[in-house]
Amino acid sequence: AQTVTQSQPEMSVQEAETVTLSCTYDTSENNYYLFWYKQPPSRQMILVIRQEAYKQQNATENRFSVNFQKAAKSFSLKISDSQLGDTAMYFCAFAPDNYGQNFVFGPGTRLSVLP
Amino acid sequence: GAVVSQHPSRVICKSGTSVKIECRSLDFQATTMFWYRQFPKQSLMLMATSNEGSKATYEQGVEKDKFLINHASLTLSTLTVTSAHPEDSSFYICSALKEGALSNQPQHFGDGTRLSIL
Repeated sequence: AQTVTQSQPEMSVQEAETVTLSCTYDTSENNYYLFWYKQPPSRQMILVIRQEAYKQQNATENRFSVNFQKAAKSFSLKISDSQLGDTAMYFCAFAPDNYGQNFVFGPGTRLSVLP
Repeated sequence: GAVVSQHPSRVICKSGTSVKIECRSLDFQATTMFWYRQFPKQSLMLMATSNEGSKATYEQGVEKDKFLINHASLTLSTLTVTSAHPEDSSFYICSALKEGALSNQPQHFGDGTRLSIL
């Protein structure tokens, strides 16, 4: 069974600074997909970024980028130029290649961006 | 595109009542929908996978008779919490996969339903 771990329950960052959220996972699969979702106080789940395990290049989406280390089973999220609207819970998620089953979420990291 | 509507957003009802929550994909067809439960300050826990035209697949520990799932069409799945009790109070979120979605496509989430049983 796959597991996803986020070792930082809470983090804070000053506005305009950079913060990195960590995520590690455990799987015996060779191909899979990783996601970061954001859940603001409104509770809506918003996709931030995704990475395919077979791609070596790290995914980037504007101010968001990942550091994907397949051998270490690590998938950290870097948020640059943090904005107040980035305050939210961030969940790392794993999906196996047979997508549609066993979509596993980590426990989440609560990020607070301070003015 | 890829909008998922979940209704109602908030329900408050008495113990013993059955509550139905709807999850609709508004602009795409979804052969697979998922139902999650989220307790305060915790992560999403998958309850069941709902497949159009077939029985839902429940995760271990989730009572099938308590949480009835119906996926009668390619755009609608419903979760009915039968004879709800205070311990069923939680935040329930659905998500949907586009029909024919490739493996790297994300799930599209509804806005969730906050269920409070008095």
